[in-house]
Amino acid sequence: AQTVTQSQPEMSVQEAETVTLSCTYDTSESDYYLFWYKQPPSRQMILVIRQEAYKQQNATENRFSVNFQKAAKSFSLKISDSQLGDAAMYFCAYRSAGGSQGNLIFGKGTKLSVKP
Amino acid sequence: DAGVIQSPRHEVTEMGQEVTLRCKLISGHNSLFWYRQTMMRGLELLIYFNNNVPIDDSGMPEDRFSAKMPNASFSTLKIQPSEPRDSAVYFCASSLRRGPHPEAFFGQGTRLTVV
Repeated sequence: AQTVTQSQPEMSVQEAETVTLSCTYDTSESDYYLFWYKQPPSRQMILVIRQEAYKQQNATENRFSVNFQKAAKSFSLKISDSQLGDAAMYFCAYRSAGGSQGNLIFGKGTKLSVKP
Repeated sequence: DAGVIQSPRHEVTEMGQEVTLRCKLISGHNSLFWYRQTMMRGLELLIYFNNNVPIDDSGMPEDRFSAKMPNASFSTLKIQPSEPRDSAVYFCASSLRRGPHPEAFFGQGTRLTVV
């Protein structure tokens, strides 16, 4: 079974600085998707960024980018120019792309605080 | 599209009562997930449907929990009888199984309190 591990329960960053959140996963599959979701205090789950495993190029969405290392099974999220509105829980997630399975498995989350 | 719609947003019930949570999928989506979120256990996958068929229900805690998809756009999660330890936020999410956008879109959750 696939697992997703986020080793940083909490992180803190100064406004306008850069922070990197870590995520590792375990799978025997070669075709899958990886995601980062944001959950602010409103509790709404919001997609931040998506990466297809077959793509070597790291995904980027404005201030958010990932460092996808397939061999190391690592998928970190970098937030540049951090803003107060970035304060939230961040969840890393894995989803198989092939076969009949398609569970979306989440890590435990990292709570990000942004200091003004 | 209005997105994934869950009802009710909040539910307070007494131990032993039946609770039914409802979820309307985004039109055209064929995957449906039910999650439970607590501080202690994080975001737990309860059950996953694809094309209205339950694919993985290994996360359903026990026989008190049941989930159905009577049609392609609607799902229910039922707890009978409810217990205080069932108190949590329950999310449903829908997605396409494959394609350029396989990400799940979440509803706003139902906060369940069992007293």
